[in-house]
Amino acid sequence: NAGVTQTPKFQVLKTGQSMTLQCAQDMNHEYMSWYRQDPGMGLRLIHYSVGAGITDQGEVPNGYNVSRSTTEDFPLRLLSAAPSQTSVYFCASGTGAFNEQFFGPGTRLTVL
Amino acid sequence: KQEVTQIPAALSVPEGENLVLNCSFTDSAIYNLQWFRQDPGKGLTSLLLIQSSQREQTSGRLNASLDKSSGRSTLYIAASQPGDSATYLCAVHILTGGGNKLTFGTGTQLKVEL
Repeated sequence: NAGVTQTPKFQVLKTGQSMTLQCAQDMNHEYMSWYRQDPGMGLRLIHYSVGAGITDQGEVPNGYNVSRSTTEDFPLRLLSAAPSQTSVYFCASGTGAFNEQFFGPGTRLTVL
Repeated sequence: KQEVTQIPAALSVPEGENLVLNCSFTDSAIYNLQWFRQDPGKGLTSLLLIQSSQREQTSGRLNASLDKSSGRSTLYIAASQPGDSATYLCAVHILTGGGNKLTFGTGTQLKVEL
């Protein structure tokens, strides 16, 4: 199993640009989520999904969109990038919301 | 609001020493607690998950305990090795208005020296 994979590993955007961070898992996990990690603030939940076709907002959803058309994939879209979205983004999955969560390697995003 | 604190923020020990990392949380209404390690520039690796009904979990040289009533968990690392050097994060699973989520501590940065 590849586990949780994320692409790209690094990305630099200009303010106002849009992009999609990809996340895929091959463990048939129903629950998937996106976090951002910022120095001094820990990891914060952006969006999550309890299964294909179902998504919901987490703690810091503004400026981000998600969709879940398949069990395997959970892309995160930045609609109009802002410098405040400079962060490291992690995707995670688990068999359920309260079961063991497995994280991807992260995407380091810089918005200029 | 659930807050998770990890003390110390940084720790340096000689190889072979047994050590304890601490995690405390303010709201005892948790579903479970998970310990992770994070290597510099890398993702999080799951170490142990303790269900709310459990008192401890063991994996190799790692032992994690949970005391829900006092809002505390400890991660015990036996016979530490340089390869154990990393940041250790604890996180509690909670149900909030913002969804089911993990609330993370800010971590303990461990360095094991030769």
